[in-house]
Amino acid sequence: GAGVSQTPSNKVTEKGKYVELRCDPISGHTALYWYRQSLGQGPEFLIYFQGTGAADDSGLPNDRFFAVRPEGSVSTLKIQRTERGDSAVYLCASSSLTSGSSNTGELFFGEGSRLTVL
Amino acid sequence: RKEVEQDPGPFNVPEGATVAFNCTYSNSASQSFFWYRQDCRKEPKLLMSVYSSGNEDGRFTAQLNRASQYISLLIRDSKLSDSATYLCVVNPGTGGFKTIFGAGTRLFVKA
Repeated sequence: GAGVSQTPSNKVTEKGKYVELRCDPISGHTALYWYRQSLGQGPEFLIYFQGTGAADDSGLPNDRFFAVRPEGSVSTLKIQRTERGDSAVYLCASSSLTSGSSNTGELFFGEGSRLTVL
Repeated sequence: RKEVEQDPGPFNVPEGATVAFNCTYSNSASQSFFWYRQDCRKEPKLLMSVYSSGNEDGRFTAQLNRASQYISLLIRDSKLSDSATYLCVVNPGTGGFKTIFGAGTRLFVKA
């Protein structure tokens, strides 16, 4: 498809379980971002990748959260030992970074994965 | 202090009104600035970039004041379809392409 694709669109799990959320970015986009959005809040930065490497993971809330992008395209956000507070919409975005040190590239978002931890 | 702060609103305005949103950012080294729009239960989408000289796109005008670390968005002649959440977005200048979103300002335009 032409846009950013996220799966699953909805995930309901029990506290303590392991969850994986997948993001398939726009083809050719080098940058990939993960955000978490709770009701009534803006997207909260988690991590972003340039290519295969995590360029900035300062937003990951704790070591239960981990993300990979092994081939520089699809990314997976992994959450271990889920807690009720992890319930949110997890948004993925990709961007074709342009030039220099400034971010002049638009972020294109997927529709998100809604995670509910019971 | 949050890296990006916005007035959460909501702003309730009649059609045809002019409405302004404000945003402040904490890092003076911030490099790039944007406004995104998010409709209810949808993903954010770029509305416009914000340039140092200010820029306009139809009914929308964005301005940047680096000295005050302040960004604004002005919407003229509001339409019902402008009802949405407006997100202030900043590259905080910590290196690379990290992009931070504000909490958003909700706008309701009523007939």
